[in-house]
Amino acid sequence: SQKIEQNSEALNIQEGKTATLTCNYTNYSPAYLQWYRQDPGRGPVFLLLIRENEKEKRKERLKVTFDTTLKQSLFHITASQPADSATYLCALDRDDKIIFGKGTRLHILP
Amino acid sequence: EAQVTQNPRYLITVTGKKLTVTCSQNMNHEYMSWYRQDPGLGLRQIYYSMNVEVTDKGDVPEGYKVSRKEKRNFPLILESPSPNQTSLYFCASSSGLGLNTEAFFGQGTRLTVV
Repeated sequence: SQKIEQNSEALNIQEGKTATLTCNYTNYSPAYLQWYRQDPGRGPVFLLLIRENEKEKRKERLKVTFDTTLKQSLFHITASQPADSATYLCALDRDDKIIFGKGTRLHILP
Repeated sequence: EAQVTQNPRYLITVTGKKLTVTCSQNMNHEYMSWYRQDPGLGLRQIYYSMNVEVTDKGDVPEGYKVSRKEKRNFPLILESPSPNQTSLYFCASSSGLGLNTEAFFGQGTRLTVV
């Protein structure tokens, strides 16, 4: 069955650099893929949605790519700031359900 | 303000004592769901509902019940809680099924069963 893997549990990035997070899936390409941000003890907050036929989506300092050949989505935060420190989750649909990756904890070091 | 409201935020209960966690949304969304989040396991879907009186199991439904009598409310019921249901619970809603629309999450309910 469809599975999601996010590349690492934690990622440390120096302030001002670009943070790149990876989301891989195993089976069929989903029609949509989403990215969420979650702060400790809080509910996830929607960031970006990318469709199967879109290669790239941008929103301010955020960029998401979707490569159906590699079965991978990349999430980039440019000019990273300490306030970007959080856990980032990717999500995709599977049989009318939505499944989430376990997330990557991003730490932006001042 | 568009929001999903869960109550209570924190709950400590004893094994076997029935409890209900309420969830309400003010966006007229059709799709609602419940998740639990555990360290190392991520968010896992418990139940979801595509509309009033339509509910279906997610990945981890055992030990839980839900109902959808009104569009805005989607309570999660634990008939006989056990310690393995200690977790952080989230309710979410969206205007569509699947991922073609964003999901709005509640602020979470931290449940401890002793």
